[in-house]
Amino acid sequence: EAQVTQNPRYLITVTGKKLTVTCSQNMNHEYMSWYRQDPGLGLRQIYYSMNVEVTDKGDVPEGYKVSRKEKRNFPLILESPSPNQTSLYFCASTQTGTGISGANVLTFGAGSRLTVL
Amino acid sequence: GQSLEQPSEVTAVEGAIVQINCTYQTSGFYGLSWYQQHDGGAPTFLSYNALDGLEETGRFSSFLSRSDSYGYLLLQELQMKDSASYFCAVRHRIAGGKLIFGQGTELSVKP
Repeated sequence: EAQVTQNPRYLITVTGKKLTVTCSQNMNHEYMSWYRQDPGLGLRQIYYSMNVEVTDKGDVPEGYKVSRKEKRNFPLILESPSPNQTSLYFCASTQTGTGISGANVLTFGAGSRLTVL
Repeated sequence: GQSLEQPSEVTAVEGAIVQINCTYQTSGFYGLSWYQQHDGGAPTFLSYNALDGLEETGRFSSFLSRSDSYGYLLLQELQMKDSASYFCAVRHRIAGGKLIFGQGTELSVKP
C-alpha cells in the first residue's frame, strides 16, 4: 500500500530532551516536507526537501532540523524541544517529476502528536 | 507577506450546496489546491486548479481566478461525512517547494 509512515504517533517529552520524529514513504517520491498544525493556524511548513541531500526552510524552521540522506526517509529532529513546539506534526510527500502540478498533490502521514512539558 | 484567507466555520444542511472561499495575498505561485481533514487525521487531496476556471471531481468542484486572487471549493449534495476541515494551499513559484496553507474552514453538516 502506498503510504507515508510517521513514528511515533504520540509522544510526551520534557524540555531539552532531544527527539526525532521519523518519516518514511514507499512511493519513490522526490519531494518530502514537514508541517505543524496548531489550532486556528492551519498547516505551517517547517522544512521541505526537493530530493536527496537537498533541504530548505519553510515558514517556521526555528528549533528544528532535518536531513535527507535517502530518498524514502525525512526525519524531523528537535535538538532541544521547548513547550512552544507542542503541536501536531505531519509529514508529506509527492512526485515532482510530472510537472508543475506534482508538488501540489501531497500524500500525508497520519500525524505525530507531540507534547513538550 | 504571503497569506491565504478562509472563513473559519461554515454550517450547512444535508443535501445542500456549500461554497468555501479562499482569497490570497501571494504573488507568484503555482495553482490552488484543496485538502480535506477529518478530526485531526491526515489531510487528503481533493482538487487542484493550475489555471483559471472550474475543475469538477464528482460532488466537489474548485474554481480559481488569478486576476481576482480568489478561489473556492464547491461541495454539492452535502452528506454528513463531509463534516471536516478544508484547507486551500498554494505553491511558491520561486521557492518551488514552499507551500502555504490557509488556516482552514471547519464545515459542519447538519441533518
